[in-house]
Amino acid sequence: QVQLVQSGAEVKKPGASVKVSCKASGYTFTSYYMHWVRQAPGQGLEWMGIINPSGGSTSYAQKFQGRVTMTRDTSTSTVYMELSSLRSEDTAVYYCASDYGGIWGQGTLVTVSS
Amino acid sequence: QPVLTQPSSHSASSGASVRLTCMLSSGFSVGDFWIRWYQQKPGNPPRYLLYYHSDSNKGQGSGVPSRFSGSNDASANAGILRISGLQPEDEADYYCGTWHSNSKTWVFGGGTKLTVL
Repeated sequence: QVQLVQSGAEVKKPGASVKVSCKASGYTFTSYYMHWVRQAPGQGLEWMGIINPSGGSTSYAQKFQGRVTMTRDTSTSTVYMELSSLRSEDTAVYYCASDYGGIWGQGTLVTVSS
Repeated sequence: QPVLTQPSSHSASSGASVRLTCMLSSGFSVGDFWIRWYQQKPGNPPRYLLYYHSDSNKGQGSGVPSRFSGSNDASANAGILRISGLQPEDEADYYCGTWHSNSKTWVFGGGTKLTVL
């Protein structure tokens, strides 16, 4: 069954980092790019960046340059998104989304609060 | 990079047809882009509906009913999502998005909240 399964909710303090995982199954992981998208409470979708699971190359939205790192582990078909220097405005649901059939993960709520 | 503009809300009666628009910013031509459409219901991740570039280059998401279709309106420089035979379960937020190859970035529209009366 084709699916993306993300790691669980996180609560972080301002200034900390968070690393969210997204495990793919049911398709050839290395053949399709993976996006990370976030959605703040009551807001729209915001694209953060993209990773090529085959070679690991990335492209990030300018807003997150220097604060976001996307990596992958081909042995486990998992991509990771790490966001550093967290602030309250980073409180959001973070999604991974594959170019394979447009599938999305279930989302990971990251709450940044002191 | 391009900006995609969507009306914040739209309402229509059950059984009617609706056209949701996704306008591309000045300097960019909708015919040069592949526009994807997503549906999102509260508490759920977005669901991929379809993409449209041209009548010969379009695709439907898995399991998406044919009453959801895409097109372009060149005069408005906009991508269009058409939903025919509106059903109560179509009430949701709808987002358009596209890839901008020059900047290697993806852009989303702000989303349209569709209410089915």
